Amino acid sequence: RKEVEQDPGPFNVPEGATVAFNCTYSNSASQSFFWYRQDCRKEPKLLMSVYSSGNEDGRFTAQLNRASQYISLLIRDSKLSDSATYLCAVNGAGGYQKVTFGTGTKLQVIP
Amino acid sequence: DADVTQTPRNRITKTGKRIMLECSQTKGHDRMYWYRQDPGLGLRLIYYSFDVKDINKGEISDGYSVSRQAQAKFSLSLESAIPNQTALYFCATSDRLAGGREQFFGPGTRLTVL
Repeated sequence: RKEVEQDPGPFNVPEGATVAFNCTYSNSASQSFFWYRQDCRKEPKLLMSVYSSGNEDGRFTAQLNRASQYISLLIRDSKLSDSATYLCAVNGAGGYQKVTFGTGTKLQVIP
Repeated sequence: DADVTQTPRNRITKTGKRIMLECSQTKGHDRMYWYRQDPGLGLRLIYYSFDVKDINKGEISDGYSVSRQAQAKFSLSLESAIPNQTALYFCATSDRLAGGREQFFGPGTRLTVL
């Protein structure tokens, strides 16, 4: 089983739709969780951190489910500019707290 | 004005050539990383460094070497490039004082080995 798994998509959704992505992780001792956004041929950029209590930033909501070992990202009222690949990242436990990235989920918002 | 810069941005080279990719940062972060990204495989860690005297192998270090010349500079070398090293390479930094978890990426170097 991969350490971090994501559905690669693509998710094709119309403008204004709500879309959700999940990311599962295998290490139950993982401590920190993040969503990054990556535009085509560009570098990943942090979108938001994922806290145990959940995290909301405008149209974006991130949730953590430790029992089932997954994190989620919900995007409401999708915009054309939301089209990108969304990477989840998980920090493990231990001294280095290695970051493992998922392979990403591609979102295409359609007019 | 990028905080993490990479040079070159694009490079085409031939099998067997030695290649160096350079990364500089003005963020004042102590931790630096090199990743490669391939379609369907995501970001994979090649090497990381927590300070100038600290170098560690990542999950795919074979065929690569690194040098941390200063806190702000971290270079990646391919001693004898091979075609399966064709990929998009990213340098990243993080700040130990901020927990070291969030990573800040450079713009990437697209390397093609013929």
